[in-house]
Amino acid sequence: KQEVTQIPAALSVPEGENLVLNCSFTDSAIYNLQWFRQDPGKGLTSLLLIQSSQREQTSGRLNASLDKSSGRSTLYIAASQPGDSATYLCAVRLYNNNDMRFGAGTRLTVKP
Amino acid sequence: GAVVSQHPSWVICKSGTSVKIECRSLDFQATTMFWYRQFPKQSLMLMATSNEGSKATYEQGVEKDKFLINHASLTLSTLTVTSAHPEDSSFYICSAGSNRVYGELFFGEGSRLTVL
Repeated sequence: KQEVTQIPAALSVPEGENLVLNCSFTDSAIYNLQWFRQDPGKGLTSLLLIQSSQREQTSGRLNASLDKSSGRSTLYIAASQPGDSATYLCAVRLYNNNDMRFGAGTRLTVKP
Repeated sequence: GAVVSQHPSWVICKSGTSVKIECRSLDFQATTMFWYRQFPKQSLMLMATSNEGSKATYEQGVEKDKFLINHASLTLSTLTVTSAHPEDSSFYICSAGSNRVYGELFFGEGSRLTVL
């Protein structure tokens, strides 16, 4: 059974810092991996989608990498801002099953 | 990207009543939709896979008679929480895949259910 783990569970940083969020998964036979942002009480906002054949994706200050063989992905946030404060979720989509499996998330707080 | 809409975004009901939540794919057809549940400060847990024109597939531990899923068309899936109890209070999120954006699932805004 696919297990998705995110470390750390919570992170607090001062504004302007660069930071890395980690995601690991137990079964490397994934279709793709996606990073989401969730604000309190809200739905999911898709940040980056990495297909299994790709190594990384970038969007603005965000960069996500994927190492399928080791079962790891990282989300890099450059020059963090207070508006980046949210919970970041990592999810993998499986090959023989269409749904996505989620990690527990990392709660990020960026202090002004 | 494709758009998935959920309704209602929040609902409060009394114990023992039933509540229906709708999930619509607005600009694409979705033969499969997924229903997730999220408890406070926890991650999303898959409840069931909704297949158009056939019975839903439920994850282990999810009561199919309590959480009724109907996927009657290629753009609409509904989740009905029957005889709701306070422990059913949660955030419910649906998702659907579009063959226009290969491999990506799109998520609704979520529906917060509070059972008094």
